[in-house]
Amino acid sequence: KQEVTQIPAALSVPEGENLVLNCSFTDSAIYNLQWFRQDPGKGLTSLLLIQSSQREQTSGRLNASLDKSSGRSTLYIAASQPGDSATYLCARGPGKLIFGQGTELSVKP
Amino acid sequence: ETGVTQSPTHLIKTRGQQVTLRCSSQSGHNTVSWYQQALGQGPQFIFQYYREEENGRGNFPPRFSGLQFPNYSSELNVNALELDDSALYLCASSVTGLVRSETQYFGPGTRLLVL
Repeated sequence: KQEVTQIPAALSVPEGENLVLNCSFTDSAIYNLQWFRQDPGKGLTSLLLIQSSQREQTSGRLNASLDKSSGRSTLYIAASQPGDSATYLCARGPGKLIFGQGTELSVKP
Repeated sequence: ETGVTQSPTHLIKTRGQQVTLRCSSQSGHNTVSWYQQALGQGPQFIFQYYREEENGRGNFPPRFSGLQFPNYSSELNVNALELDDSALYLCASSVTGLVRSETQYFGPGTRLLVL
């Protein structure tokens, strides 16, 4: 069974801190890995997509990496801001996305 | 370019009723996927439609059905509603073709409450 796990379930950090969110998956034949942000009661916003042939992707203060051999992906957020507070979800693709349960991030001013 | 839209935003139904949720895909996208997200959980894949045909289905009973129209918009129908069907229903659009973008773009969701 293909599974995606995100630990921790919740994280609280002070503003300005650099942080790492973790995502692990059981299927080493992964095709791609996508990171999303979800604000309370809202839909998902795509942040970054990493193809299996890539090691990392960057967008602004966000950097996502993919290590197929260890079955892990990380989302690095630099200089966190209160506006970064949301739930972050990772999902393996393609097509039928399999999601982790998410990490709820709170950035305190 | 318009994003993915869903209607209605909220819906309250009683057990045993039927419901239809609607999704308009992002301009230029030909594939629509539906997901169910229970409170505090990650989304679960229901099914995907490409060229008006079902193109993959998750572990959901037949009372969950769908349609895709020639303009690539889509409907999700749920018959004989159960209390556990209460969730946020998300629609996502993407492109399947020679020049493919696997990125799925999600709509704001429809919040369904079954009483």
